[in-house]
Amino acid sequence: GESVGLHLPTLSVQEGDNSIINCAYSNSASDYFIWYKQESGKGPQFIIDIRSNMDKRQGQRVTVLLNKTVKHLSLQIAATQPGDSAVYFCAETHAGTYKYIFGTGTRLKVLA
Amino acid sequence: DVKVTQSSRYLVKRTGEKVFLECVQDMDHENMFWYRQDPGLGLRLIYFSYDVKMKEKGDIPEGYSVSREKKERFSLILESASTNQTSMYLCASSLGITHDYEQYFGPGTRLTVT
Repeated sequence: GESVGLHLPTLSVQEGDNSIINCAYSNSASDYFIWYKQESGKGPQFIIDIRSNMDKRQGQRVTVLLNKTVKHLSLQIAATQPGDSAVYFCAETHAGTYKYIFGTGTRLKVLA
Repeated sequence: DVKVTQSSRYLVKRTGEKVFLECVQDMDHENMFWYRQDPGLGLRLIYFSYDVKMKEKGDIPEGYSVSREKKERFSLILESASTNQTSMYLCASSLGITHDYEQYFGPGTRLTVT
């Protein structure tokens, strides 16, 4: 495995259960947020995004919730599958910059 | 399908060596990025290029330089590698730089400097 995950919090979930991964973001001016999935040996892959004018956005088996009051973002994965095992991290940015602030990530382990 | 490739998956270099990390994208993207990824830290931007021969320093440019002579290729250069540059290096590209444009990442190069 990649050492990028060595110091990460880990969430272990039974296959078929729902997973919830959390992220606290830092900049109250951030108005756009992304969740990435990074499998071992691969680069980050876009999963889902949400703008600050929304509280919730749904994709295929994934839902992102945004709570601007407490600067909190969560990713929910329904019916977690072995292929969901990866490191997940959030990223935030705001209009006027191309730069993102990336979270440190959570490792999701799916138990058979 | 967008493809971003990086020249090496694993690289081991000695302190003081000059190191070149290469990144190529095949989607005619204007913008390319170099990040490093370290345990316990999020991705940090080293350099950004918005056109051929154009570049901007990111958040941690010290000890690095870049080269973009062709649109599809973006190189990261460590002029004199040091052990604190041991890291995972990720390249990304995007068509634009607003929120409407996704960044596509390469698989990464794990560099170890001994």
